[in-house]
Amino acid sequence: EPEVTQTPSHQVTQMGQEVILRCVPISNHLYFYWYRQILGQKVEFLVSFYNNEISEKSEIFDDQFSVERPDGSNFTLKIRSTKLEDSAMYFCASRGVSQPQHFGDGTRLSIL
Amino acid sequence: QKEVEQDPGPLSVPEGAIVSLNCTYSNSAFQYFMWYRQYSRKGPELLMYTYSSGNKEDGRFTAQVDKSSKYISLFIRDSQPSDSATYLCAMRLQGAQKLVFGQGTRLTINP
Repeated sequence: EPEVTQTPSHQVTQMGQEVILRCVPISNHLYFYWYRQILGQKVEFLVSFYNNEISEKSEIFDDQFSVERPDGSNFTLKIRSTKLEDSAMYFCASRGVSQPQHFGDGTRLSIL
Repeated sequence: QKEVEQDPGPLSVPEGAIVSLNCTYSNSAFQYFMWYRQYSRKGPELLMYTYSSGNKEDGRFTAQVDKSSKYISLFIRDSQPSDSATYLCAMRLQGAQKLVFGQGTRLTINP
C-alpha cells in the first residue's frame, strides 16, 4: 500500500539553526500538509499546500516557517531559526481529491 | 469550550471486549469525521472516514456520527491486543483543509 515517507526520523539541531524536514507524499496526491505534535499535546495543523501555493495556514505557521515542493515528489518544511519550543514531532500528510488525509510516521525534532 | 474534546484515558479492557471511544465537538459546521490509530513512535493511521451523520462499518470497527448531539463514536468489536494504541478523532469543515484533532484516547487490550 502506498505511504507517505518522511526523513529524517530524528533530527537534532542547535537553537537558532535552520532545519529542513522532508516528505515524499503518496504519488498522485495533490494536497499536502504539515502538522506537529508537541509531547503530550494534540496534533496541530500547521499548513496546507495545493497547486504550488499555501492554501491554508495556522497562527503557528509564522515567518520562521516555509514550505516548498522543489520537484515532483518532495515536499519540505523549513524552519529558519529554530527555538526550543519548536521541539516536537512533525507529521506530513497528503490526500487525493475528495479523499481523507494520510500521514507519515513523522520526524522527531529536538532543539538543544 | 474546547473545539474537540476526547477523554485521554487510559482505557484498559480485556481481550474480546467491545470498546467504545468518543469525541464531542463544539462547532456544528464540522462535516467530515475521521478516526486515526496511532501506535507508539508512528504516525496517525486512518481507520474510518465519514461524511455528515450516520454509521459506517469496516470489519470490527464501526463509526457513528450524531450531528444533533455533536458527538462521534468508534466501536471496536472482539478487541485484540494488537488494537492497543492511541485513538485520535479528527474533523474538518466543508471547504477547509485543516483537520482538528482530539487529545487522543490511550487504549490497552489485555490478553
